[in-house]
Amino acid sequence: GESVGLHLPTLSVQEGDNSIINCAYSNSASDYFIWYKQESGKGPQFIIDIRSNMDKRQGQRVTVLLNKTVKHLSLQIAATQPGDSAVYFCAEREPFGNEKLTFGTGTRLTIIP
Amino acid sequence: DAGVTQSPTHLIKTRGQQVTLRCSPKSGHDTVSWYQQALGQGPQFIFQYYEEEERQRGNFPDRFSGHQFPNYSSELNVNALLLGDSALYLCASSPAGGGGYTFGSGTRLTVV
Repeated sequence: GESVGLHLPTLSVQEGDNSIINCAYSNSASDYFIWYKQESGKGPQFIIDIRSNMDKRQGQRVTVLLNKTVKHLSLQIAATQPGDSAVYFCAEREPFGNEKLTFGTGTRLTIIP
Repeated sequence: DAGVTQSPTHLIKTRGQQVTLRCSPKSGHDTVSWYQQALGQGPQFIFQYYEEEERQRGNFPDRFSGHQFPNYSSELNVNALLLGDSALYLCASSPAGGGGYTFGSGTRLTVV
């Protein structure tokens, strides 16, 4: 498949370690945030979401933290596996019936065996 | 349960031509959004269709148009293709209440 991103910020992590991917979002009025994983040749795959009235949400091996003061999101992946290698995007949605998702630039995560 | 299905997977067109891309939403979803993803960038919102009407539009020229059918499937049409239209075109479906956006694998369009 084709490469999703050739010049993205990159993060290399040893297999089994924890990964933290950061994202700065643009609109202080955004009320819903999503993390997506995109593998080469595929569309974005939902990982976890969080609403603006929360500051932390946990899923299976993943945790999302939201800091509205500095407009910052982070995705923590515990005990990373080779299958976690992908490009990760955060997306924000503005309120008031707005369905448009605005995506960040993405981070390429590479797991080192 | 099929997810979002897009066709074709790859397409090569000549500058100035017109193209139609197709999307079938996930079962139970009635809202379809289209995104353009240039190489090395995040997806950018083109427009969204609900109840067969364009509900919201991003910053794209009128060369980009769409349609939604009664079965909720959708088409994206691009006229007068430019080299800069080369990208991965993604379709995302969601239920009427919002959220739960599911993306297809996309159509890779190359304009030569």
